[in-house]
Amino acid sequence: DIVMTQTPFSLSVTPGQPASISCKSSQSLLHSDGQTYLYWYLQKPGQPPQLLIYEVSNRFSGVPDRFSGSGAGTEFTLKISRVEAEDVGLYYCMQSIQVPWTFGQGTKVEIK
Amino acid sequence: QVQLVESGGGVVQPGTSLRLSCVASGFMFGSFGMHWVRQAPGKGLEWVAVIWYDGSHEKYGNSVKGRFTISRDNSKNTLLLQMNSLRAEDTAVYYCARVISGTGSFDMWGQGTMVTVSS
Repeated sequence: DIVMTQTPFSLSVTPGQPASISCKSSQSLLHSDGQTYLYWYLQKPGQPPQLLIYEVSNRFSGVPDRFSGSGAGTEFTLKISRVEAEDVGLYYCMQSIQVPWTFGQGTKVEIK
Repeated sequence: QVQLVESGGGVVQPGTSLRLSCVASGFMFGSFGMHWVRQAPGKGLEWVAVIWYDGSHEKYGNSVKGRFTISRDNSKNTLLLQMNSLRAEDTAVYYCARVISGTGSFDMWGQGTMVTVSS
């Protein structure tokens, strides 16, 4: 199975400040079709997860442009340019290049 | 209204069975692959199973393979998860999720149904 490792485990951020989460996979997520199957999800308290970023760097519909994704191969990053109160929750990276699909362990983002 | 609604969760004893349902509305259910994802209390997300849009293929996570069966009835817009030989470690909120074809983009999730396996 592909292991997804996120750092840090938690993050406390002052509103308006940037935040960054790293995700590393145990195998390359670059498929022979040229796509890289790496996704970012946010689970707000008491809610199901919601899609933020698909295929490394594409913001899903309705996701604010303060969220951005980057990376390639086995190393990926989610950045929030200016954290807002509504961004609190658990952030997960996920790979879908290989079954079983696997998630990172999650990064908890809190507001200072 | 475009939504997924899970049901069927509850408290059961180890070794018993339970069947979860997920009813879709507001979209062409039969055009989408569907997944189950679970979350143990206080833990992260774990992918459970997928079924192709037409029910032709299924895949399972290692921890449920051979015990759980995913199925669907496109005429009833319903996704199912038959869970047999339940264990304490199956205790979790179970979410159904719609996936955009050919991707890992879960673009719609249900609110989840809680399964507790305890003696």
